[in-house]
This record gives sequence, C-alpha cells and structure tokens, in this order.
Amino acid sequence: QVQLVQSGAEVKKPGSSVKVSCKASGGTFSSYAISWVRQAPGQGLEWMGGIIPIFGTANYAQKFQGRVTITADESTSTAYMELSSLRSEDTAVYYCARDPAAEAVAGNYYYYYMDVWGKGTTVTVSS
Amino acid sequence: EIVLTQSPGTLSLSPGERATLSCRASQSVSSSYLAWYQQKPGQAPRLLIYGASSRATGIPDRFSGSGSGTDFTLTISRLEPEDFAVYYCQQYGSSHGAFGQGTKVEIK
Repeated sequence: QVQLVQSGAEVKKPGSSVKVSCKASGGTFSSYAISWVRQAPGQGLEWMGGIIPIFGTANYAQKFQGRVTITADESTSTAYMELSSLRSEDTAVYYCARDPAAEAVAGNYYYYYMDVWGKGTTVTVSS
Repeated sequence: EIVLTQSPGTLSLSPGERATLSCRASQSVSSSYLAWYQQKPGQAPRLLIYGASSRATGIPDRFSGSGSGTDFTLTISRLEPEDFAVYYCQQYGSSHGAFGQGTKVEIK
C-alpha cells in the first residue's frame, strides 16, 4: 500500500524559495505520477503540476509556470516541489498525491485522478 | 481550459437525508474523466469517485456518481454523520488538472 510522507512545515520570507519533499513507500515509484496540489487558507484545491518519474518531465499549471519546479528522484522514491519568488499569497498547505494512471502519449503527458495523498505541508510566507 | 462550476455552494441537510451535488463543466469532459473528492477539516482530500461513476477502494456504496458530457452529479443516498464535509470535483485526462470550487455539506 502506497504511503506518501511529506516534509515538515516551513516559514519563509517574501522573495525566497521553498522546497517540499514527498517520500513514497510501498508500490513501485516509477509506475505512477506525483501531482502537487495546494490549498490556501479557507480556499479550494489548486493543481500546481505533476511529474511521471519514469519520464522525468514535469508539467505545470500555467499560473505557476516559471516559478515552480517539480522533480523526482527514483533512487529514493522522493518527489520534490520547489516554489520560488514567494509572496504572501503562497501561504497554503501543499499536498503531494499519487496519480495511478498518468501516461505519456506521443510526447504529451496526461494526468488523471489522485488516489493517495500526503498529509500536507504548511508553508507560511511572512516578513 | 475547462472550468468546473459546483453547485450549490453549501448544502444544509440532516443525517439520513439524500444529498445531490452538481458539477458543471464549461465544455464536454472527454471519456467521463471526472473525479470526486471529500475533504474534512484539517485533512487531506480523499478520492471517492473516478471515471464519473466508479467508486474508489473502500468507499461505501451510499456514494454514487453519474453524468457525462458537461453535467455530473455526486449523490449520497443517506447522509451519515461522517459525511458532513466539503466535496470537490476534478476534471482530468489532460496535461493539467482542474478542480471545482467545492460544495460544503453541513448539518442542518
């Protein structure tokens, strides 16, 4: 049974960067994708991007293009999400989640539903 | 990009009642690639339904999903106390995901 364990809470200054990790246990890491979803206080869910580790290429929501980098290390079954140029509006809980069906077709990447979630990492951006 | 609109924003019901939640897409969702999630305060979301109508592992059969094209519905046949939560729909099968804004099911 796959479990996703995320790194601990972070407090960051505006303009800095944060890197959140997501370590998978159980299952075969390279056989599924990891997506990152965030939730600002009192708000809904927002998909940030995802990666299929076996391909190593990440896809990002347009809103975060240029500011987010998602990577995966197959040797440690760990995915990472780094968000730069932080501002107060980035204060949120950041979740990683397993996508069991994501696929690559003719160079295009398709993301599906998320069936296993980490507990979330709270990132607070404050001066 | 497909935009998902959920209604109502809040549903006030009593335990034992039937809940009907709507998710409308701005354009047709291919292959019924729509999922529903439940989220309780302080917890991560939980997958309930995928493929518009397939229940995820361990999800009670009081939860059911239906719909196709642009209109989808999540039905909870008889609300249990643990079902009061926020529910999100999600469209998938593209290079990026998109969620609806959520429907809160609260105790009346």
